[in-house]
Amino acid sequence: EAGVVQSPRYKIIEKRQPVAFWCNPISGHNTLYWYRQNLGQGPELLIRYENEEAVDDSQLPKDRFSAERLKGVDSTLKIQPAELGDSAVYLCASSAWGVDTLDTQYFGPGTRLTVL
Amino acid sequence: GEDVEQSLFLSVREGDSSVINCTYTDSSSTYLYWYKQEPGAGLQLLTYIFSNMDMKQDQRLTVLLNKKDKHLSLRIADTQTGDSAIYFCAEIPPNDYKLSFGAGTTVTVRA
Repeated sequence: EAGVVQSPRYKIIEKRQPVAFWCNPISGHNTLYWYRQNLGQGPELLIRYENEEAVDDSQLPKDRFSAERLKGVDSTLKIQPAELGDSAVYLCASSAWGVDTLDTQYFGPGTRLTVL
Repeated sequence: GEDVEQSLFLSVREGDSSVINCTYTDSSSTYLYWYKQEPGAGLQLLTYIFSNMDMKQDQRLTVLLNKKDKHLSLRIADTQTGDSAIYFCAEIPPNDYKLSFGAGTTVTVRA
C-alpha cells in the first residue's frame, strides 16, 4: 500500500515569491492534515480537512497561506508571498477519522522549503 | 509552545538499550504516540499506548506509562545504527484529533 505522497521534496525560492505544495493521501483516508515543522521542533498543525471541508484552519496564517482539497482527495497548500520565516518542512498526513477509534495519522516525507 | 517535553539528545552505544523520556500535561489524554523521523524523511509511527495501559511491548520497543507523574518512556533494546533518528512523543486528547508533539529527542548510536 502506498503511503502519503508529497511533492516537491525540496523547494528553494526567493522571498516574496509564491510556492505550492502537493499532497496525495493514503487511499481511502478521508482526513488530511498539513503541518509545519520548524527546525528543532515538533510539527504543528496548520489545517485539517475532513473530505473536502476544512474543519480546522485556526492555525493557518490566512493572510498569505491558503489550502484546498478539491474532490476530497489530493490537497494543495500555497504560500503567497513567501517570507523568510516560512522556511520549514511542510508535512502532510492522513487518517481514516471516524472509521477507527484510533485515528492514527500517517505522515508523508515532507517538503523542505528554503526562502532566501 | 509545547505541552509535551522531551530531553533533546541521547547518545548510546550500539547494542545497549536506549531510554527516551517524555512528560505530558493533559491528564485526560487518550493516546500517546512515539514517532521516528530519520534525516530528510517524514514521521514514521513506531508505537502508541492507550492511557489505561501501563506498558506495551512490540519487538524491541517497550513503552512505559506513569499516569501519576504524566511520564512516558520508550525503551529500545539492542540499539542499532539504524535507530539513529529523532524520536517524537505526542499526545492526543480524548475525542480530539490534534496531535501535540514534543520537540523531539535526537538519538545518536555510536559503534
